[in-house]
Amino acid sequence: KNQVEQSPQSLIILEGKNCTLQCNYTVSPFSNLRWYKQDTGRGPVSLTIMTFSENTKSNGRYTATLDADTKQSSLHITASQLSDSASYICVVLRGGAGAGKSTFGDGTTLTVKP
Amino acid sequence: EPEVTQTPSHQVTQMGQEVILRCVPISNHLYFYWYRQILGQKVEFLVSFYNNEISEKSEIFDDQFSVERPDGSNFTLKIRSTKLEDSAMYFCASSGGTALYETQYFGPGTRLLVL
Repeated sequence: KNQVEQSPQSLIILEGKNCTLQCNYTVSPFSNLRWYKQDTGRGPVSLTIMTFSENTKSNGRYTATLDADTKQSSLHITASQLSDSASYICVVLRGGAGAGKSTFGDGTTLTVKP
Repeated sequence: EPEVTQTPSHQVTQMGQEVILRCVPISNHLYFYWYRQILGQKVEFLVSFYNNEISEKSEIFDDQFSVERPDGSNFTLKIRSTKLEDSAMYFCASSGGTALYETQYFGPGTRLLVL
């Protein structure tokens, strides 16, 4: 079954600290993995897109890693800001038959406190 | 900066009624999507649309659902006979180029409540 599992479910950190969010997936065949930021009541906003051959991709203070062999990804947030408080969602897109179908994780709810 | 827009922002309907949710994708985008998010749950893929036809659909997207691009700008999701369990936030998204690897831009969503 195609699944995306994220951990932790929620996380509280102090402003200025770093954190790392985890994503494990069983989606097959794999096309690409995406990290989104979703503020409450809003649509998801794309942070990174990684294909099979990419190990690391950065977008400002966000750095995503991908290990396609172990089917794991992480999102590292550096020097957190209050505005980073949101849900961070890992999404895997299928390749092959069913290409483009997305499987979403439950998300990690990040709270950044002053 | 171009953005995806959706109307209405909120819709309340009676069970069994038809609803049409509207989306205006980014103007030069070629791929369009609908997703839903039941309150407190994960986002779920419903359907993708390219070149005036459905590319992929999920198991959720049954005969009660249909999509249409009635003109050059709008992209609609119709639910023929709403059920209580259709209550959710519905997001439209669009992307350009080779959709598998392109960024999808999401709209702000339509919150549908079925009574």
